[in-house]
Amino acid sequence: AQSVAQPEDQVNVAEGNPLTVKCTYSVSGNPYLFWYVQYPNRGLQFLLKYITGDNLVKGSYGFEAEFNKSQTSFHLKKPSALVSDSALYFCAVSLPEYGNKLVFGAGTILRVKS
Amino acid sequence: DGGITQSPKYLFRKEGQNVTLSCEQNLNHDAMYWYRQDPGQGLRLIYYSQIVNDFQKGDIAEGYSVSREKKESFPLTVTSAQKNPTAFYLCASSHEAGNLHFGNGTRLTVT
Repeated sequence: AQSVAQPEDQVNVAEGNPLTVKCTYSVSGNPYLFWYVQYPNRGLQFLLKYITGDNLVKGSYGFEAEFNKSQTSFHLKKPSALVSDSALYFCAVSLPEYGNKLVFGAGTILRVKS
Repeated sequence: DGGITQSPKYLFRKEGQNVTLSCEQNLNHDAMYWYRQDPGQGLRLIYYSQIVNDFQKGDIAEGYSVSREKKESFPLTVTSAQKNPTAFYLCASSHEAGNLHFGNGTRLTVT
């Protein structure tokens, strides 16, 4: 079975500092990995995905994520946080053999303080 | 503008009543999904449909039903058999693996 863990319920960072939101996964096979962001009372917005190739993936709004196969991790990063980055972030995994269904982590609240 | 429309935004029902949540998309996507979101639990898949007139159960389908009679529409019915129906419901569509486009959700409260 596929599963995704986001070990931190909340991450706090000062504006201008780098941020990391952690994600680890447990699947057999070669997963597709995703990050989504959710603002209050809204749907999720796609940020970035890893399918294959370069382990460092760049996405929307200056975010990037690094795929580490040996550590089964896919941490989300940004070099300089903005207050407007404050939101709920979800990591997700899918496997083509399971019909590309996404399995989501529980989410991490990011709070950026000025 | 292309997108996914969920209606209504807020829905209130009495226990024991069935209720139908609307989801319409004009993105011409084949696949559509219904997720349920509860605080601290992430999103859990209720039903999904990869093509018109076909749909499959997700991880928490009990107490829910869907139909997919048109490509654009994927309504979800929350039946009285669903034990804890109060939640935020999200509909999504996709045309490629994992890149889901979400609606803005319907918050259902059952009392």
